[in-house]
Amino acid sequence: GAGVSQTPSNKVTEKGKYVELRCDPISGHTALYWYRQSLGQGPEFLIYFQGTGAADDSGLPNDRFFAVRPEGSVSTLKIQRTERGDSAVYLCASSPQPLAAKETQYFGPGTRLLVL
Amino acid sequence: TQLLEQSPQFLSIQEGENLTVYCNSSSVFSSLQWYRQEPGEGPVLLVTVVTGGEVKKLKRLTFQFGDARKDSSLHITAAQPGDTGLYLCAGALHPAGSARQLTFGSGTQLTVLP
Repeated sequence: GAGVSQTPSNKVTEKGKYVELRCDPISGHTALYWYRQSLGQGPEFLIYFQGTGAADDSGLPNDRFFAVRPEGSVSTLKIQRTERGDSAVYLCASSPQPLAAKETQYFGPGTRLLVL
Repeated sequence: TQLLEQSPQFLSIQEGENLTVYCNSSSVFSSLQWYRQEPGEGPVLLVTVVTGGEVKKLKRLTFQFGDARKDSSLHITAAQPGDTGLYLCAGALHPAGSARQLTFGSGTQLTVLP
């Protein structure tokens, strides 16, 4: 399909390990967002890309979290020295019009991260 | 403290009943959106409201944005089992021209029993 795709769909890792989560946005969408959703909660904003640059990374919880979008399309969220509290669903969304009042963000299915 | 408070958190009703979900904040939003999320999937946008007092209807769903753009409601008429899911409200705090991060409420888990 032509929607946002995320890989892997599930990731189990051990505390202290490094993980990478990938997001393929809808073709042509310039804006890309990462959110984190804990069980029983709504998504929490992590970072927003406009093109290749991180326009707003104020939601990243600490310096163990980092995200890149080198060519303005695919994005990778990187988590170093994972902790059990990092366990959550990581959602990616993309949008064609980041500055429009009626902007629609299209979400991917998420990556379920479990840190043991 | 949640910036957007949703109520109720859980709602279980019988098919054919009506229900209302509320989304409240002390902050003013430039726009507010309602999403529906099913298990194992990302949220899917239902509606966006941008004008205070705005009312939008989507089949059996009616969405209202408060006059002061601080609150919103979702009303479902004659609920059906297919309406079951997690309903999320999300607001854009920043004015046009700024980053468009969405602030989500904690969600209302709706179960419609046949």
